[in-house]
Amino acid sequence: GAVVSQHPSRVICKSGTSVKIECRSLDFQATTMFWYRQFPKQSLMLMATSNEGSKATYEQGVEKDKFLINHASLTLSTLTVTSAHPEDSSFYICSAKKGAGGNTIYFGEGSWLTVV
Amino acid sequence: AQTVTQSQPEMSVQEAETVTLSCTYDTSENNYYLFWYKQPPSRQMILVIRQEAYKQQNATENRFSVNFQKAAKSFSLKISDSQLGDTAMYFCAFMKVDRTYKYIFGTGTRLKVLA
Repeated sequence: GAVVSQHPSRVICKSGTSVKIECRSLDFQATTMFWYRQFPKQSLMLMATSNEGSKATYEQGVEKDKFLINHASLTLSTLTVTSAHPEDSSFYICSAKKGAGGNTIYFGEGSWLTVV
Repeated sequence: AQTVTQSQPEMSVQEAETVTLSCTYDTSENNYYLFWYKQPPSRQMILVIRQEAYKQQNATENRFSVNFQKAAKSFSLKISDSQLGDTAMYFCAFMKVDRTYKYIFGTGTRLKVLA
């Protein structure tokens, strides 16, 4: 089956610094990727939709200047949390849509971010 | 706007028994997809089963089956012969057929299979 990989799986950063999380589709081209945030014992909340070669579409309430998303190639999207604060600590999950006409979504393994 | 409701925060079932997880949704769309995802302690989201709204036949995948009631906007998941490895969070998700491919997730049901 299709594989989506996230890196790093866990990261600790200091408050005020920026941290980048990568999402790669390993064996397929993904024109569209999604970034979610999941707080402990809660559901996945969509943050933004990342389209290859264009600007990301952010959900209401998500600060685009804080959560920078770049989808520079058909296999890679990155989420950069800028000027991180402890309240940004969370589990971040990406997913990728396979192919231009398909509607199957594949999820990455997720990335734990801890801001200290 | 679409909403997905899972009214059972936690459930437990004895190994080898059958359990049903409920999910209701609200939409004015006629064409959409419904999914059940499993999230074990590893946090990896695993697709359990999916249902196209235009199909009347309920989807099945081995021990997993759904009861899709389109008029009632209900989409329950039945797990037969429960196994310890089924212990996980289960999320119901809705996706309307448009070019956004956005998922709307329910709040999840934590299922524990007891030995």
